[in-house]
Order: sequence, then structure tokens, then C-alpha cells
Amino acid sequence: AQSVTQLGSHVSVSEGALVLLRCNYSSSVPPYLFWYVQYPNQGLQLLLKYTSAATLVKGINGFEAEFKKSETSFHLTKPSAHMRDAAEYFCAVSITGTASKLTFGTGTRLQVTL
Amino acid sequence: DAGVTQSPTHLIKTRGQQVTLRCSPISGHKSVSWYQQVLGQGPQFIFQYYEKEERGRGNFPDRFSARQFPNYSSELNVNALLLGDSALYLCASSQGGGGNTIYFGEGSWLTVV
Repeated sequence: AQSVTQLGSHVSVSEGALVLLRCNYSSSVPPYLFWYVQYPNQGLQLLLKYTSAATLVKGINGFEAEFKKSETSFHLTKPSAHMRDAAEYFCAVSITGTASKLTFGTGTRLQVTL
Repeated sequence: DAGVTQSPTHLIKTRGQQVTLRCSPISGHKSVSWYQQVLGQGPQFIFQYYEKEERGRGNFPDRFSARQFPNYSSELNVNALLLGDSALYLCASSQGGGGNTIYFGEGSWLTVV
């Protein structure tokens, strides 16, 4: 079975600072990996996904993530945080054959301060 | 094109009652999945349907059931509601197959009192 661990339930950064949200996965077969963002009282919006085409994945809103098989990690980064980035971020994994079944982490709440 | 649409957006039910939540996938998507998100947690997989057949079921009791219609829309039913069923229920659609982008609706907020 596959799983995801997000390190840090809350992360606080200053506006303009680097954003780093950590995600480690466990999977017995090559995984597909996703980052979703959830703004208050809304559904989930896809930021980016890894499907083995390239290890560095660029997403929307200036976010990117790098797949590191040796570290079983898929950390999310953004060079410069903006106030509008404040939200809950979820890392998720799926594997071939399970189609639309996503296994989510517990989420990281990003706070951006002035 | 419209995204994934869900109804109702909010509802309040009493313990023991039954609830039906509805979902319309993105046009052309044949796969619909349901997730439960309890406050402060990540979404948990409940069901997946593809071409009207159940393709996956999460660790939820038999009180939870779902179906997919010929137009690929879907309903999630929960019987004998418990207080612990209070959550955001998310519907997601995709073209099916591993690696395909999965799009989520805004969700249905269910409060059980």
C-alpha cells in the first residue's frame, strides 16, 4: 500500500521568503505524485503532478516540486512567498492500476506574514 | 467548460437520517471518485466508479454507498448518519487511468446534529 507523510502541520514564512513544504512517500511500485492546495471553505486545486516524465515539475502560481527517488521525497517549493499563498497544502500519491484513488497526507497549513 | 459540480453545498441532518449527495463530472470524464474530509485532516478515499462500475472502495462501513449513472454523474448515499459523518464530501473526476489529472469539486458540507 502507498502512503504519504507531510512533515510539519504548520509552516510560517515571511512574504518574499522561500517556501518549502515537505512530502515523503512510500510505494512498492513507481508512484504518481500530486500537490493540491485548498483555500478556506473551498475544494482542492491541483498545483502540480509528477508522472515520471521529468523529475522537476513546475506548477501553477510559481510552485515547483522535485521528485527524488533516492530520498522518496517530493517537496514543494516556491522562491518567494506571497500573502495569497496562505492555504492548506496536501501531498498525494496514486499508483498504476488504482486509477483515481489518491492517498493524501495530513496537510500543511502555510501562513505568510508581512 | 464547467468543472466538477456538486450539490447541495451545505446541509444539516439529524443522527439516524439518510443523505444523498450529487456530483456531475467534467464533460468527457468517465471516472468519478468520492472523498471524505474531516475538519483538520486530509481527504480519505471512499469510492471510485468508472464506466458505471465500482473500481475501488475505501475503508468505510456499508452505510456508505454510491452509484454512477449512464451520463457519468454520481450519487453518494450515507444511511443511519452518525455525528462522526460530519465532514466535507468531495467529488473528483478524471478520464481514468493512473497519472491522469484528478479534478475536485467544491464539496458538500454535511453537518450531523
